[in-house]
Amino acid sequence: DTGVSQDPRHKITKRGQNVTFRCDPISEHNRLYWYRQTLGQGPEFLTYFQNEAQLEKSRLLSDRFSAERPKGSFSTLEIQRTEQGDSAMYLCASSLRSRTREAFFGQGTRLTVV
Amino acid sequence: GQQLNQSPQSMFIQEGEDVSMNCTSSSIFNTWLWYKQDPGEGPVLLIALYKAGELTSNGRLTAQFGITRKDSFLNISASIPSDVGIYFCAGHTISGESGSRLTFGEGTQLTVNP
Repeated sequence: DTGVSQDPRHKITKRGQNVTFRCDPISEHNRLYWYRQTLGQGPEFLTYFQNEAQLEKSRLLSDRFSAERPKGSFSTLEIQRTEQGDSAMYLCASSLRSRTREAFFGQGTRLTVV
Repeated sequence: GQQLNQSPQSMFIQEGEDVSMNCTSSSIFNTWLWYKQDPGEGPVLLIALYKAGELTSNGRLTAQFGITRKDSFLNISASIPSDVGIYFCAGHTISGESGSRLTFGEGTQLTVNP
């Protein structure tokens, strides 16, 4: 399968714990995006990378959130000291720089903070 | 910030009927996209529109980019049970030299009765 891959698909954690999600984009895509989706809402932009550079961050990305893409391939999104309000679907997407508007999404990681 | 108003919020139709949904925005977008999302999955790109006034088809789906660049509609003809899902519109903006993000509507939940 050559689509966007996210791991894990589901994560249940206790409030206050740290969690890390991984995203593997489509191999030739140099842009990678993170979005968050809560129940009944559309996805909301968090941040994006072009290769290894993080070029834009949303105000939704509090200081408890950090994203990396160290070698310009896979990316990780870490949430420290999780809160119940962090419960959501975290979606990763990737695109070619030349066709940046056509973003292809992974299946998402469903986070539940208890 | 930018907001997309998507309507209707939900639709219940009989198999074989045509469906129409639309999105409006207070801001101009340079690209409109339509995605479909099944439960527990990530959004899947259906159609991308790049020019004001553009009308594009993908099988039974037809979408148009409004002339004002502030709206778009999606039509589904001869609906079938597998059309069930949530349909999202999304507008793409480029901010500054490097910003690139999608803004999503709140979705239209489509139910097709056999």
